[in-house]
Amino acid sequence: GAVVSQHPSWVICKSGTSVKIECRSLDFQATTMFWYRQFPKQSLMLMATSNEGSKATYEQGVEKDKFLINHASLTLSTLTVTSAHPEDSSFYICSARDLGGGRDTGELFFGEGSRLTVL
Amino acid sequence: GQNIDQPTEMTATEGAIVQINCTYQTSGFNGLFWYQQHAGEAPTFLSYNVLDGLEEKGRFSSFLSRSKGYSYLLLKELQMKDSASYLCAVVDSNYQLIWGAGTKLIIKP
Repeated sequence: GAVVSQHPSWVICKSGTSVKIECRSLDFQATTMFWYRQFPKQSLMLMATSNEGSKATYEQGVEKDKFLINHASLTLSTLTVTSAHPEDSSFYICSARDLGGGRDTGELFFGEGSRLTVL
Repeated sequence: GQNIDQPTEMTATEGAIVQINCTYQTSGFNGLFWYQQHAGEAPTFLSYNVLDGLEEKGRFSSFLSRSKGYSYLLLKELQMKDSASYLCAVVDSNYQLIWGAGTKLIIKP
């Protein structure tokens, strides 16, 4: 199946700093990627839909200015958590669908996830 | 509102069979996913059903009844490594994924 790579896997930062998380589709082009957040013992929550070459679509309650999403190419989307605070500590996961060449099965391919800890 | 219901936790014995149910009420339906998630890791795709019936894939099978808003994931010949959370997710009419809270499956020797 298609491969999605996410980096970094773990990041610890001080309160007030910004953190960038990268999501790459390694063997396919992804015009759309999804960013999720998961707090301990809770389900995945969709934060935003990242669209290549245009603005991301944010879910209700997600601050656009705090969670900056850039999808500058067909294989890379980035999520920047600006001025991070301890309550932003969470597991962030990206996913994408491989829509090319009629291969779309509806399957979402997930990155490995990034665990953010804000001190 | 949109809602996905699945049991919070289930316990089963190694080598046995377990069925995890999922019921949904969503605005439209464009398919249902089952994912497996081990603690601290990203979800792993298990199955995708869009038509009624049973899809079998090795030890795992998934069933869908659209008229009943119901799906189940069947795990056979349980192994200790199957201990994980199992997430049910429905694609609604806007192609948004609606996630269940997950079922934590505990396998005992």
